[in-house]
Amino acid sequence: QSVLTQPPSASGTPGQRVTISCSGSSSNIGSNTVNWYRQLPGTAPKLLIYSNDQRPSGVPDRFSGSKSGTSASLAISGLQSEDEADYYCAAWDDSLSGLVFGGGTQLTVL
Amino acid sequence: EVQLVQSGAEVKKPGESLRISCKGSGYSFSSFWIIWVRQMPGKGLEWMGRISPSDSYTKYSPSFQGHVTISADKSINTAYLQWSSLKASDTAMYYCARRLNSGRFDPWGQGTLVTVSS
Repeated sequence: QSVLTQPPSASGTPGQRVTISCSGSSSNIGSNTVNWYRQLPGTAPKLLIYSNDQRPSGVPDRFSGSKSGTSASLAISGLQSEDEADYYCAAWDDSLSGLVFGGGTQLTVL
Repeated sequence: EVQLVQSGAEVKKPGESLRISCKGSGYSFSSFWIIWVRQMPGKGLEWMGRISPSDSYTKYSPSFQGHVTISADKSINTAYLQWSSLKASDTAMYYCARRLNSGRFDPWGQGTLVTVSS
């Protein structure tokens, strides 16, 4: 049972826009920034979005993040086949004094 | 280039001990926390704990407290994750990652697969 709640799966067709939600509480998303990680099959997770809505260099602007209250979301526009991956949200939890993750969302490009 | 390089895959028997490593390069290793993350087969990411290499202060997730030990040797820019008595349920991929001041974790190591089987 993950502390942050994500839908287990999402899908879209090439070119579409998809969003992935991430729900938490006042001790994590409500008081700290949210980061998103992408994990391609058989590889390590990689930072995709940080500080709620910032993209590291090299991440296309098709990827965007937002946060409101105790929820966050990741949006991917212009969906491409190579976007098929698992996406995880994460935030620091003040009660745990540790990092909490969502359960991950498996994105399928139909 | 900033990178974390982890030690290779391990196959162990239940009850055996193990230490895996995570070596940082391209940055001031002592200045940033290192975390360890478990990913069991087909499952999501779980935070295990973190260490501050400068003073070796550690903090464990309650789920892993007492089951693993996290340590670091800043003289060789290396963090460690160790078990004194492995169980079959420890079979998983283990990742290390660097915590930046903004609270994001980047980069991640390539992962170390630990298989525990009799």
